[in-house]
Amino acid sequence: EDQVTQSPEALRLQEGESSSLNCSYTVSGLRGLFWYRQDPGKGPEFLFTLYSAGEEKEKERLKATLTKKESFLHITAPKPEDSATYLCAVQARTNFGNEKLTFGTGTRLTIIP
Amino acid sequence: NAGVTQTPKFQVLKTGQSMTLQCAQDMNHEYMSWYRQDPGMGLRLIHYSVGAGITDQGEVPNGYNVSRSTTEDFPLRLLSAAPSQTSVYFCASSLRTAANSPLHFGNGTRLTVT
Repeated sequence: EDQVTQSPEALRLQEGESSSLNCSYTVSGLRGLFWYRQDPGKGPEFLFTLYSAGEEKEKERLKATLTKKESFLHITAPKPEDSATYLCAVQARTNFGNEKLTFGTGTRLTIIP
Repeated sequence: NAGVTQTPKFQVLKTGQSMTLQCAQDMNHEYMSWYRQDPGMGLRLIHYSVGAGITDQGEVPNGYNVSRSTTEDFPLRLLSAAPSQTSVYFCASSLRTAANSPLHFGNGTRLTVT
């Protein structure tokens, strides 16, 4: 069964203190790994898609990387507005020939001014 | 640019009542889906549709019905509400069912069943 595990569950950082969020996955036939940001009371908002090991993508203070077993979301010099829950999701081929999207439970990030 | 619109934002039902959660998208997306989000669990797929007239079950379909008569609309019906259906429900759409087509989510409906 496909599994997506995010760690830590919650992370509190001082403004400007860089860190990384982890998404480890166990799937066969990876088609893509997605990162989403979710603000309280809102739906998830798409950030990145990564397709193969070694790939990296950046957006402002965020950089996502991918290996064969995990993805990291690096946050450099974060600001309070980066506070949110970050969700990871993996799309993979199933034994039935279709594709399935599996979400992790998220990391709740709080940036303290 | 509305994107994915869900109504209502909040709803309280009594056990056994039925209701319909509305979802509409204005991006001409083929794929639409319903998820529920519960504390400590990842988003779980309830039902999905790959085009008008085509629907299929996801991971947790019991107690829910869907239909897709137009490209734009994808309502979710709760047939006889149960406390276990207390959750936040998200509708999401994408251009196609491929990894290079990320989901666009609505802002959710928070449902409480008493």
